[in-house]
Amino acid sequence: DAGITQSPRHKVTETGTPVTLRCHQTENHRYMYWYRQDPGHGLRLIHYSYGVKDTDKGEVSDGYSVSRSKTEDFLLTLESATSSQTSVYFCAISYTAATGYNEQFFGPGTRLTVL
Amino acid sequence: QKEVEQNSGPLSVPEGAIASLNCTYSDRGSQSFFWYRQYSGKSPELIMSIYSNGDKEDGRFTAQLNKASQYVSLLIRDSQPSDSATYLCAVIPANQAGTALIFGKGTTLSVSS
Repeated sequence: DAGITQSPRHKVTETGTPVTLRCHQTENHRYMYWYRQDPGHGLRLIHYSYGVKDTDKGEVSDGYSVSRSKTEDFLLTLESATSSQTSVYFCAISYTAATGYNEQFFGPGTRLTVL
Repeated sequence: QKEVEQNSGPLSVPEGAIASLNCTYSDRGSQSFFWYRQYSGKSPELIMSIYSNGDKEDGRFTAQLNKASQYVSLLIRDSQPSDSATYLCAVIPANQAGTALIFGKGTTLSVSS
């Protein structure tokens, strides 16, 4: 357990509504990530953050925005949800392990259904 | 396009056998390699990391890396029904922004008792 929580854990929403998912960490890690996991596609990076107010896009960033105003919180927003954004969303943190290399650890996930 | 390839399975082995999971990657400059285990409905759990050519053992798990062949594998000895899960291979390619992972689609392992 890397001290990562995600909220909500489950959400059902309607097409066109805005949705914000929250990732919270308690261990002051600099790097945070949002991935989505879909059958047949595996885990894909949406956005990541390398510090407060420092974010960048990943492979599948269209339709998503992020914000990080505090070290401990990384928010993922779907401005206008679409059915193609129905997925399981995982937050992750990374830190430098004793090996000297970065290792990533995942939160429990949020299952989002867009009707 | 940086890619990580895995056989989707399912890979079925009897209890007590050795399970062998394989992964290839496209970016020759990759330096960090990981195996995650994911139970149905749960999040990925890091079980092995490997950074240099050769074998790395941790309990019943052995990761093997061959950078020349761009190949990484995971061996599970004395497989148990509790090992039944999807195993995800992940790589950090060279010059990867934010050290983000590139994942394979996963191999489903089923261990029968």
